Amino acid sequence: QKEVEQNSGPLSVPEGAIASLNCTYSDRGSQSFFWYRQYSGKSPELIMSIYSNGDKEDGRFTAQLNKASQYVSLLIRDSQPSDSATYLCAVNIFQGAQKLVFGQGTRLTINP
Amino acid sequence: DARVTQTPRHKVTEMGQEVTMRCQPILGHNTVFWYRQTMMQGLELLAYFRNRAPLDDSGMPKDRFSAEMPDATLATLKIQPSEPRDSAVYFCASGLKWTGNTEAFFGQGTRLTVV
Repeated sequence: QKEVEQNSGPLSVPEGAIASLNCTYSDRGSQSFFWYRQYSGKSPELIMSIYSNGDKEDGRFTAQLNKASQYVSLLIRDSQPSDSATYLCAVNIFQGAQKLVFGQGTRLTINP
Repeated sequence: DARVTQTPRHKVTEMGQEVTMRCQPILGHNTVFWYRQTMMQGLELLAYFRNRAPLDDSGMPKDRFSAEMPDATLATLKIQPSEPRDSAVYFCASGLKWTGNTEAFFGQGTRLTVV
């Protein structure tokens, strides 16, 4: 089982709709969870961090964490074409030392 | 503005040559990560440092790769000898560990092509 798993997509969503991105992780002891956005040919950009169970909202973005189910999600409301990118889930996993492990990423396309 | 700086941005080299990639972390950050990104493998953690000390380099092929932090403002990743399969984008990221959490901020990457 991979340490961090995401559906690679591609995920296609119409403009103005809600895009839902999902991530599961294997280490029950993980405490820190992150969502990064990566445009083609660019570096990953941190967009959300979440550390506690529940929802965390920042503008059009909402991160949701369920540690019991080992599940993290990112919702993008009122999707815009500029949201088209690959979204990477990252989790701090303890293996001898804490390390930041990334999923494969989900490619999201917002259709005008 | 504060950002992670990587050099060079692009590197083309012949198989067998030594490659050195450099990273200047954000001032004040105490954690530095090296990642490699390919289409097939995604983002793989190669090594990381906290307060200049190596904490984990289990993701790095030890026979040809080495990572160091000679001082707080410079991290290096070397490949010797380089091979075509090393072709990838190498990212450095830095972060500040606090209360057990570390948010990582990425540099622009070094795109390496080994021919």
